[in-house]
Amino acid sequence: AQSVTQLGSHVSVSEGALVLLRCNYSSSVPPYLFWYVQYPNQGLQLLLKYTTGATLVKGINGFEAEFKKSETSFHLTKPSAHMSDAAEYFCAVSDQANDMRFGAGTRLTVKP
Amino acid sequence: NAGVTQTPKFRVLKTGQSMTLLCAQDMNHEYMYWYRQDPGMGLRLIHYSVGEGTTAKGEVPDGYNVSRLKKQNFLLGLESAAPSQTSVYFCASSYGPAGVTEAFFGQGTRLTVV
Repeated sequence: AQSVTQLGSHVSVSEGALVLLRCNYSSSVPPYLFWYVQYPNQGLQLLLKYTTGATLVKGINGFEAEFKKSETSFHLTKPSAHMSDAAEYFCAVSDQANDMRFGAGTRLTVKP
Repeated sequence: NAGVTQTPKFRVLKTGQSMTLLCAQDMNHEYMYWYRQDPGMGLRLIHYSVGEGTTAKGEVPDGYNVSRLKKQNFLLGLESAAPSQTSVYFCASSYGPAGVTEAFFGQGTRLTVV
């Protein structure tokens, strides 16, 4: 079965700094890849997804992620962090329609 | 615009008690899912449904049962709660399979089994 590893359970950045959240996956077939965000006391919300085609995927709130097949990675970036970006971020992979596997999550803290 | 609504939001159970968690969606989605979220483990799929009257097992189905009698509702049951079932439970729905299309999540149910 496919799996996801998120490097770093907690990332702290200063407001205005680059955000980089790392995600590596394993899959025996071309994967579908997702980033979801969870704000405090809320459910998950889709940030962006990769299915096929362009490897650089743009999402909401200025986030983007790049699919690198050779590195089996799908890292999430944002050029300039805002206080409102503080949340938990989950990377997910799917190679079967209903079997989506989530990573353990990375909690992002943004310092003023 | 309610989206996905979970009831209740919090619950404390004693070991051996039973309960049902209700998930309701108003987006006419065919697919519905129940996940549990545990610290350091992300979300794991318990059961899912691809349409009214259908259910299937996910990654961690033991100790849970589900039913989808109406398209808009997906119920998760715990017949005899155990402390290992202490978790946050999330329901999700999607137009197509969650591994392909966007899934919409409820706000979660925090369950404690003592």
